[in-house]
Amino acid sequence: GESVGLHLPTLSVQEGDNSIINCAYSNSASDYFIWYKQESGKGPQFIIDIRSNMDKRQGQRVTVLLNKTVKHLSLQIAATQPGDSAVYFCAENFSGGSNYKLTFGKGTLLTVNP
Amino acid sequence: DVKVTQSSRYLVKRTGEKVFLECVQDMDHENMFWYRQDPGLGLRLIYFSYDVKMKEKGDIPEGYSVSREKKERFSLILESASTNQTSMYLCASSLVGKGRQPQHFGDGTRLSIL
Repeated sequence: GESVGLHLPTLSVQEGDNSIINCAYSNSASDYFIWYKQESGKGPQFIIDIRSNMDKRQGQRVTVLLNKTVKHLSLQIAATQPGDSAVYFCAENFSGGSNYKLTFGKGTLLTVNP
Repeated sequence: DVKVTQSSRYLVKRTGEKVFLECVQDMDHENMFWYRQDPGLGLRLIYFSYDVKMKEKGDIPEGYSVSREKKERFSLILESASTNQTSMYLCASSLVGKGRQPQHFGDGTRLSIL
């Protein structure tokens, strides 16, 4: 079964607000994590990644936080825009297995209201 | 930017047909992947290739085969299509570099088997 999951299947926010999307993972040996965005009719788009030797990483309007103690990953989107509406899902990999194999969560649908 | 191109966005085939799905990447990536994406099941790995003519089975290889004759091209073959292979098929590629690298996806082929 899936070892990566999401706390909330849907999230609705107002334009301009900050969004937080959560992901729980069960494999404590996982040491590499990725967030993807998937818009309707398109393939998953890489947003940001983080390795387990970090607890925070920032990109353009996005921040990923990693809490290894509770095996939790979050994606924060600042000043959410209508173009951010999509399904977001996380993926994990652990160095003890094949370095290519990702385990994906099922996704959270983010809806941005104008 | 990484470009992963899947030859067809939509495809309709009949039960028993042999179906070819093509994928090309332009970033000289060593690794290429085929996934299927189904509602409620997330992304599941069908096959993986880490070099020309090299392949490994993923989690759900039954009913599928692959071909990688050139580094940039990875083909998925449904030997005898069945209705339970109706799905969204996603191709991805990744670089072999220092540490783990994210996978980059194409926009998918929505395949219907009638």
